[in-house]
Formats: sequence, structure tokens, C-alpha cells
Amino acid sequence: ETGVTQTPRHLVMGMTNKKSLKCEQHLGHNAMYWYKQSAKKPLELMFVYNFKEQTENNSVPSRFSPECPNSSHLFLHLHTLQPEDSALYLCASSPEGGAETLDLNTEAFFGQGTRLTVV
Amino acid sequence: ILNVEQSPQSLHVQEGDSTNFTCSFPSSNFYALHWYRWETAKSPEALFVMTLNGDEKKKGRISATLNTKEGYSYLYIKGSQPEDSATYLCAGKDDKIIFGKGTRLHILP
Repeated sequence: ETGVTQTPRHLVMGMTNKKSLKCEQHLGHNAMYWYKQSAKKPLELMFVYNFKEQTENNSVPSRFSPECPNSSHLFLHLHTLQPEDSALYLCASSPEGGAETLDLNTEAFFGQGTRLTVV
Repeated sequence: ILNVEQSPQSLHVQEGDSTNFTCSFPSSNFYALHWYRWETAKSPEALFVMTLNGDEKKKGRISATLNTKEGYSYLYIKGSQPEDSATYLCAGKDDKIIFGKGTRLHILP
């Protein structure tokens, strides 16, 4: 148990559906991340939030829409996805706050991921 | 942009043997290097966080070294056991964490 919980664990959705992935952390961390892992590719950073503010959007298509209502919760809203978006989506958190307080000695804590299949 | 490379991509090791694998990264703009172990159906878990050139860290049979001047880190596993079977991820960090593709380790009984 890492303290980061993702739901659902598995999701199958059609290309016209709208769905959301949820991530919750009870570690008191200030930064939360969405990563995507496609087959035979490294983990790809999608979005970063620090203190509920989005600080990174790594050229992600607009059919993926993140939301961070508070520092403990992170959502990824999915709309009109393509089959190539099928992947494992991992959420992570770390203690970082703003750049002034960046702590280099802290690792990321991951959820177990949501396995998404777009049909 | 930080680019992290890992080798080999996959490795089969006989139980009881020792092994090691490599993570390389650009030596400029280096802040920290992380190693994670990712077992099937579980979350990636941090093994080591290393920041200083010459750092050497150890956790049980697993250890890691860091050379920031030449841009590489080695992960060593001594006396491999079946429970060591996992994907080992290396991540470099400047203002965010960037991962390599991982080394998939299979321990053969």
C-alpha cells in the first residue's frame, strides 16, 4: 500500500464515451502527476500539478482533461478517445511544492494504475 | 529535456547469481536519480534516491552507484532470488521526473 489509490483499476470505453479516472493520496503531498505507459514505451509524463495548479502539460491532446480540485485528489477526464489511447495510466504524488521548496531527495509514490482499453 | 536510457531492456538471471544493469543520463542539469522496482500488478516502488557524485546506496542485497560526471548509474543485485523478478525503472529528475524504459529482470529457478 503506497498511500496513492486509483479507481477504477480497469476501464473499457467506446470512442464516443466520456469517462473519468480518479486518483487520491493521503500522504500530505503537494504535487500530483499523471503518467501514461503504452506497450514497449517508457512512462510518459502527461500532467503535473503543484499546489493544485497545473505546472506541466506535456503536449497532451485535449481529449485528456485533468482536474485537481484539492491537493489530495486528481482526476483525468476522458472524451472521444482513440484506440491508440489504450494504455496503463498511472497517478503519482510527491512532496514538492513550488520551485522554491523543491526537495531533490524525495521520490514519487505511485498508484496501481488504471488499465484503459478504448474500443 | 532530460533523456534517460536503460540497458539491457530484458535480462534472464539464474537464481543465486549476481547481476547489474545500467541507467545513463545527460550529465548537465542533473539534480537527482531515482531507482524504482515495479512488480507485476503492483505500483512502482522507490528503491533509491541519489543526488551526489560517487553516491553508493544499499538496501539488503540491492545496491546502486552514481557517477554524475559521466552520466550513469548502476544497480546491482547480489544472489538473485525469485522475488527480485520485476521491472527496474530509472528516473532522472530536473524540475520533473523523467523515466527510462526499464530493465525487465527474470530470475530463473
